[in-house]
Amino acid sequence: DAGVIQSPRHEVTEMGQEVTLRCKPISGHDYLFWYRQTMMRGLELLIYFNNNVPIDDSGMPEDRFSAKMPNASFSTLKIQPSEPRDSAVYFCASSSPGQSSGNTIYFGEGSWLTVV
Amino acid sequence: QKEVEQNSGPLSVPEGAIASLNCTYSDRGSQSFFWYRQYSGKSPELIMFIYSNGDKEDGRFTAQLNKASQYVSLLIRDSQPSDSATYLCAVTKTGTASKLTFGTGTRLQVTL
Repeated sequence: DAGVIQSPRHEVTEMGQEVTLRCKPISGHDYLFWYRQTMMRGLELLIYFNNNVPIDDSGMPEDRFSAKMPNASFSTLKIQPSEPRDSAVYFCASSSPGQSSGNTIYFGEGSWLTVV
Repeated sequence: QKEVEQNSGPLSVPEGAIASLNCTYSDRGSQSFFWYRQYSGKSPELIMFIYSNGDKEDGRFTAQLNKASQYVSLLIRDSQPSDSATYLCAVTKTGTASKLTFGTGTRLQVTL
């Protein structure tokens, strides 16, 4: 399996611009997670989906952030407008609790976002 | 109080020694406990998970869980320089079996 695939790997954008991060989960996984990682706050869960339905978005910092999962193989995280404090690594992850691996979640390589 | 707490380190151990990494959690109903390793600039990768009180061994790694004390640890035997990384503790909370909450991680340095 190719693993969780994220794009872009690196993005530098100006404050106020729209940023869209993309994720393809592992085939067959029915949970998808978006995490953000910073030095100060560590790894924070932003939102997660089960069978394409958002289950918990309590970690989304504010209305500038939105996430969608139109089908089982694709999700986006959008920031509009972006701000310098949004600079972080954004990880997408997926899991399938029904498998023998239990609740193991598998991370993509991350999208490194810098807002200047 | 943070939901999952870890000492940020760095924890420095000589090559060949045992590294002991600790984690405490606040939700007494937490169900599952995970240890992830993250190399600098890379994504977290699972080392092992534990559900029941006691020890679970996997090669050079041993996870220890004490639910009464709300404490989980990871022991790395015969530490190698390649073990130098940040180790993240994660837990699933009551009623949210698929939602992992992470600690901020402990940085381990294995010295020659």
